[in-house]
Amino acid sequence: GQQLNQSPQSMFIQEGEDVSMNCTSSSIFNTWLWYKQDPGEGPVLLIALYKAGELTSNGRLTAQFGITRKDSFLNISASIPSDVGIYFCAGQGIYGGSQGNLIFGKGTKLSVKP
Amino acid sequence: NAGVTQTPKFQVLKTGQSMTLQCAQDMNHNSMYWYRQDPGMGLRLIYYSASEGTTDKGEVPNGYNVSRLNKREFSLRLESAAPSQTSVYFCASSEAVTEQYFGPGTRLTVT
Repeated sequence: GQQLNQSPQSMFIQEGEDVSMNCTSSSIFNTWLWYKQDPGEGPVLLIALYKAGELTSNGRLTAQFGITRKDSFLNISASIPSDVGIYFCAGQGIYGGSQGNLIFGKGTKLSVKP
Repeated sequence: NAGVTQTPKFQVLKTGQSMTLQCAQDMNHNSMYWYRQDPGMGLRLIYYSASEGTTDKGEVPNGYNVSRLNKREFSLRLESAAPSQTSVYFCASSEAVTEQYFGPGTRLTVT
């Protein structure tokens, strides 16, 4: 079945740093989504991407839908302490029915540098 | 708007007990979903309902049943709980498949 590889698995940030993470797939996706999950909460939708090459921003967050339709990137500029949490990518495959449901990556955990 | 609400927030069951997790959304969305989240596994789809009156299996449906009670409500039932069903359960809703909005989750422990 379709799978997403999300990297890195975890990273430490210092306030003010820029952060990058990405998701790749072996198959083509129609849509890419990025979510953030805080401890004890449900995932919250950050950005949705619908076209290959699309670049979309939401405040300090910028996400891109890869040209090959097999990857997506999320960048956070000038990170602040409240950026910590787990970031998930999700993709919708090109097939209909149950195979058109969202597939989730395993997440990138952002923590503050000790 | 409350968005997606789930009850209960926490639950502890003994092996073999049954329970129903409740989910409701006030966004008038057609589609609703149940996921489970386990450490290192991400979110996995249990069941979904593309529209009122329909339900379909997702990636990990075994041991669960669902009911789409009306457009607002979608419940998940564990008939005979097993320790392997210890997890955090999330309900979500969407107008189309994409842009799903999640509830706060139910943390279930089966001993």
